[in-house]
Amino acid sequence: AQTVTQSQPEMSVQEAETVTLSCTYDTSESDYYLFWYKQPPSRQMILVIRQEAYKQQNATENRFSVNFQKAAKSFSLKISDSQLGDAAMYFCAPSQGGSEKLVFGKGTKLTVNP
Amino acid sequence: DTAVSQTPKYLVTQMGNDKSIKCEQNLGHDTMYWYKQDSKKFLKIMFSYNNKELIINETVPNRFSPKSPDKAHLNLHINSLELGDSAVYFCASSQGKDRLDGYTFGSGTRLTVV
Repeated sequence: AQTVTQSQPEMSVQEAETVTLSCTYDTSESDYYLFWYKQPPSRQMILVIRQEAYKQQNATENRFSVNFQKAAKSFSLKISDSQLGDAAMYFCAPSQGGSEKLVFGKGTKLTVNP
Repeated sequence: DTAVSQTPKYLVTQMGNDKSIKCEQNLGHDTMYWYKQDSKKFLKIMFSYNNKELIINETVPNRFSPKSPDKAHLNLHINSLELGDSAVYFCASSQGKDRLDGYTFGSGTRLTVV
């Protein structure tokens, strides 16, 4: 079974600073998708950013960007200019090769300090 | 104009009872899912349907039975509820593996078995 590792159970960052959340995964596929989801205390799952594995260019969405290292099977999320509203659980989720099934990591709880 | 709606949002019931959770999406997506999030926030896929056809059935007790009357609806029926079934259950939908833009999640159903 595919495994997804988020090695940081908890992280904290000062408001307006930058933080990077790590994610590694295993796969034997060459074409797949990767996602970061955010779950605030409201428990709603919100899509933050998406990356297609065949694209070398790292995805960016406003203050959120990824560092995708395909050979290393690493997919980290960088949050710039952190805001209080960024406080949440963050889940890394690659698709399981050739299917639309997403496998989720155990999550990183991000705290943003004012 | 909710995209993926689940009902009920909260469900408290006694052991041994049978209960159902309903899910509807108005996005025109082809694929729908049920995920279970345990007390440690770990998200695990249970089932997936594509156009009313079951395509993913993870190792889930037979007491859990999904039903998809049409591609916009995916319901989850649970028989003989046990304490260990207490969790948050998420419904989600996606376009399908040929265009995986990510899942759109419902707001979750918190099931508590007492």
